[in-house]
Amino acid sequence: DIQMTQSPSSVSASVGDRVTITCRASQGISTWLAWYQQKPGKVPKLLIYGASSLQSGVPSRFSGSGSGTDFTLTISSLQPEDFATYYCQQANSFPPWTFGQGTKVEIK
Amino acid sequence: EVQLVESGGDLVQPGGSLRVSCAASGFTVSSDQVSWVRQAPGKGLEWVSVIYSGGSIYHAESVKGRFAISRDHSKNTVYLQMNSLRAEDTAVYYCARTRPGVPGTPGLYMDVWGKGTTVTVSS
Repeated sequence: DIQMTQSPSSVSASVGDRVTITCRASQGISTWLAWYQQKPGKVPKLLIYGASSLQSGVPSRFSGSGSGTDFTLTISSLQPEDFATYYCQQANSFPPWTFGQGTKVEIK
Repeated sequence: EVQLVESGGDLVQPGGSLRVSCAASGFTVSSDQVSWVRQAPGKGLEWVSVIYSGGSIYHAESVKGRFAISRDHSKNTVYLQMNSLRAEDTAVYYCARTRPGVPGTPGLYMDVWGKGTTVTVSS
């Protein structure tokens, strides 16, 4: 199975900060990667698919990049509603699909 | 509006069985893929199973041989039958519509999620 490793596990940041989360796949997955946001007690929400395509309705301060094994989620200017846990997920051609362990974005 | 509603979660003893359901509205389960994803208390997301529009089925290694995904076209509902349950199966179980990011391309993404149903395995 393809393993997904996120870093850091948690990050403390202030409103307005630029935040970058990385995700590494154990083997190449082209751009078959998604990012999800999950707030405490809430359902995961798809933010980005295809490594860099913004899901409809997601603010443009979120962006994704990368291909192969290394990927990045960037929040250009952190807003109060962005404090949450973020997961990457490899969406390679066939299952099993795997998620990263999550990155918690906390208030500094 | 596209919506998924899970039900059937319960407290069950180790070794027991349970079936959870995922009722869809706003789309047809036979025309899309539907996945089950679980989240143990305080832990991350774990993909469990998927049923493709064409009927192909895949399960995670951790549940293979114990869990079975199926669907009922007439009820527009997807099921997850869980047998030989273990304490480590305790989790919130979410169903999610799973679609290509771009039609016709291989990558499938979970774009609509239900609110989840809680399964607790304990004696």
